[in-house]
Amino acid sequence: ETGVTQTPRHLVMGMTNKKSLKCEQHLGHNAMYWYKQSAKKPLELMFVYSLEERVENNSVPSRFSPECPNSSHLFLHLHTLQPEDSALYLCASSQDPAGRGDTQYFGPGTRLTVL
Amino acid sequence: SQQGEEDPQALSIQEGENATMNCSYKTSINNLQWYRQNSGRGLVHLILIRSNEREKHSGRLRVTLDTSKKSSSLLITASRAADTASYFCATGTGGFKTIFGAGTRLFVKA
Repeated sequence: ETGVTQTPRHLVMGMTNKKSLKCEQHLGHNAMYWYKQSAKKPLELMFVYSLEERVENNSVPSRFSPECPNSSHLFLHLHTLQPEDSALYLCASSQDPAGRGDTQYFGPGTRLTVL
Repeated sequence: SQQGEEDPQALSIQEGENATMNCSYKTSINNLQWYRQNSGRGLVHLILIRSNEREKHSGRLRVTLDTSKKSSSLLITASRAADTASYFCATGTGGFKTIFGAGTRLFVKA
């Protein structure tokens, strides 16, 4: 257990559905991250929030919409996804409000399948 | 292009042998980290080495960093079947972007 939880662990959705991924960290960290991990590709950073403010947005399609209501919770809202969006979505947190690239603690991930 | 690239892509060894994985990167870094991932799970942080450090140890792990060659290596000594996993290097270049490589898949045969 890393102190970062993600729900659901598995999600199957159609291209017209709307769903949300949830991440919660119990570590008192200030920064939270969403990553996408596709087969045979490096981990791709999607979004970063520091002190509840979005500080990185890596050219992610608008069908992915993040939300950070407080420093312990992070959501990824999904709508009208494509089959190529099927991947493992990982949340992470770090005690890194200044962005020094310090250690990140990862959740177990949500395995998303888009039909 | 990727910042960190691991070599080899896959490695298969016998239990008890040492495993060495290498990482090369392109730009200046603040730190370099190694993470481990069991199949389909989240990443677990192993060790962080800062740009002014050359070597670091943690249990059976030894990490070296050569900033002149822009490379790092991770050595796992006396490997065990439970070490079977993917290993990733990640470079911190300042800011919040930690860039991960594609990983080395290690298989330790019992």
